[in-house]
Amino acid sequence: GAVVSQHPSWVICKSGTSVKIECRSLDFQATTMFWYRQFPKQSLMLMATSNEGSKATYEQGVEKDKFLINHASLTLSTLTVTSAHPEDSSFYICSAQRGGQSSYNEQFFGPGTRLTVL
Amino acid sequence: RKEVEQDPGPFNVPEGATVAFNCTYSNSASQSFFWYRQDCRKEPKLLMSVYSSGNEDGRFTAQLNRASQYISLLIRDSKLSDSATYLCVVRYNFNKFYFGSGTKLNVKP
Repeated sequence: GAVVSQHPSWVICKSGTSVKIECRSLDFQATTMFWYRQFPKQSLMLMATSNEGSKATYEQGVEKDKFLINHASLTLSTLTVTSAHPEDSSFYICSAQRGGQSSYNEQFFGPGTRLTVL
Repeated sequence: RKEVEQDPGPFNVPEGATVAFNCTYSNSASQSFFWYRQDCRKEPKLLMSVYSSGNEDGRFTAQLNRASQYISLLIRDSKLSDSATYLCVVRYNFNKFYFGSGTKLNVKP
């Protein structure tokens, strides 16, 4: 199977600081990666789609200046939560999709990063 | 209206029972369908893709009804280890994946 890692797995920070989360595809190249956020007892909400070498596409209501995404290589995408506030506390999950446009391409999820902003 | 809707449950069933979940989707242009399983505080893991003709994987059977825009998951002979939240995922276009809110299953001894 395909393996996706995330780092860090959890982070606690003070309000106003910035936090960077890394998402790596370990054994395949991912032309597309996705960033999701999940609040307790709710479903995953897609925040943005990250394409290697181009700007991320953000979902409606997601502030691109607050959630900076960089997909610099085919195996790494980063999400930076800038000036984090307590309401940004959530479970952030990335997923990676292999290259190609097969309609059955599945997503492989990272283990998630639990962010707590004090 | 949500893109994907699921009954949140919980479904509480005894071991060995058969249980079925449904999921409806709103976009008729949806192309691909999946069931994912998510354990508490963990990432979702693919359970199975759903093919137009329906497909089976061991105790799990998935069906797609495009006319009524719903997919289903049937679990036979439930095991304790099947306890989890089951997420219905629908894709349209190349990059748009929408998740249902999940159906929680509790299998009791």
